[in-house]
Order: sequence, then C-alpha cells, then structure tokens
Amino acid sequence: EAQLVESGGGLVKPGGSLRLSCAASGFTFSNAWMSWVRQAPGKGLEWVGRIKSKSDGGTTDYAAPVKGRFTISRDDSKNTLYLQMNSLRTEDTAVYYCTITRPGGFDVWGQGTMVTVSS
Amino acid sequence: QSALTQPASVSGSPGQSITISCTGTSSDVGSYNLVSWYQQHPGKAPKLMIYEVNKWPSGVSNRFSGSKSGNTAALTISGLQAEDEADYYCCSYAGSSTYVFGTGTKVTVL
Repeated sequence: EAQLVESGGGLVKPGGSLRLSCAASGFTFSNAWMSWVRQAPGKGLEWVGRIKSKSDGGTTDYAAPVKGRFTISRDDSKNTLYLQMNSLRTEDTAVYYCTITRPGGFDVWGQGTMVTVSS
Repeated sequence: QSALTQPASVSGSPGQSITISCTGTSSDVGSYNLVSWYQQHPGKAPKLMIYEVNKWPSGVSNRFSGSKSGNTAALTISGLQAEDEADYYCCSYAGSSTYVFGTGTKVTVL
C-alpha cells in the first residue's frame, strides 16, 4: 500500500527558510510524479508545485504565489520528496501535504505537516 | 489563476441525492477532461473520490459520480449517508503544468 509521511514543519519567522520532507513507501517512487498541496487554517486546498519523474525529465512547476521562493526536489535513492521554502511570508502558514500526481488527479496523500510563519 | 467556484454548503437528508457544482473557465475546466474531486473530513487529509471527470479510484463507492458540461463540473452523491458529511473540493488542470482547486463545499447530512 502506498504511504507518504511528511516531516519538517514548525514555527519560522517571516523571511526565514524551512525544508519539508516526504518519505514514500509501498510504490515505485522513482516512477511517480509528485506534488505539494497546502491548506491554510480554515481555508481551502491550494496546489503548490509538482516534480516529474526523472525518466520524464524531472522538471518542476510552481504556483504563482511561491514561484522563485519554493523549490521542489527529489532523492529517488532515499524515496524522499523535498520542499525547500525560502523568504517565507505569513501567508505561507498552512498544512503542507505531499501527494502522488496521476493524470487527472492527486492519488495518495500524506497526513500533512504544519508550517507556521510568525514573528 | 483564480480558484474554481463551488457553493459554500450543500445539505441533504439520508438517502437523498445531492449535487455539488464546480465552475471554472474555458482555460481550465472547459479545456481539459482532468477534473478531480476530493473528500476531506475534519483534521484529515483529502481523499481522491473522482478523477478525469467521471472515473472512480479503486475502493471508492459508486454512489459518487462526476460529470462536466462546458466550464462547469459536478459531483453527485447518491443515497446520502452520515459518513458523507465532509468538505469536498474540485480540482482542474489549468494548462502550463499548473492545477487549480475549487473553493470547497461543506456537505451536511440532515
């Protein structure tokens, strides 16, 4: 059974940085396209960005609000997805989920990790 | 990219059918058959219920069905049950390798 476990969330000051990790198991991680989706407290879901498998080019794409500040990467040898977040703003406060990205949908989700940006 | 528009809330009695709409534009919902729907219970991660407009992931009840007409997609829940009470979100591919979610709908079982 596919499983995703996020970690690395916490409290950070505005302008600071944080790196989230997502450990994958139960499926062939190297073949998967992966995304990050976030949810601010009491708000809806927001797609953050996606990384393709290396066999499909390994390229990344981002939502406009995070482009240039966030970077998605992957280590297929460790079955781990990363989200490097720089220049954090208060509006980045959210639960961050990693998901397997299939054509037409986000298939499997982790339990999420909370990021709070506050002074 | 603006969020897709969903009604804030929909309610129904057990056994009834309800439909949640999801309105986008010709740049997202109207251009691609890549609409998906997610169920989220309080404090839990979202769960994929429908993908590619009207397909069921393994293990999802066929009481949930999806459709699309023009720029509007819809999720219908038939035979409403207490455990269907949750938040529901639509999502569409929006071109240029991006995705957009809906505003979310709270479903209440009366």
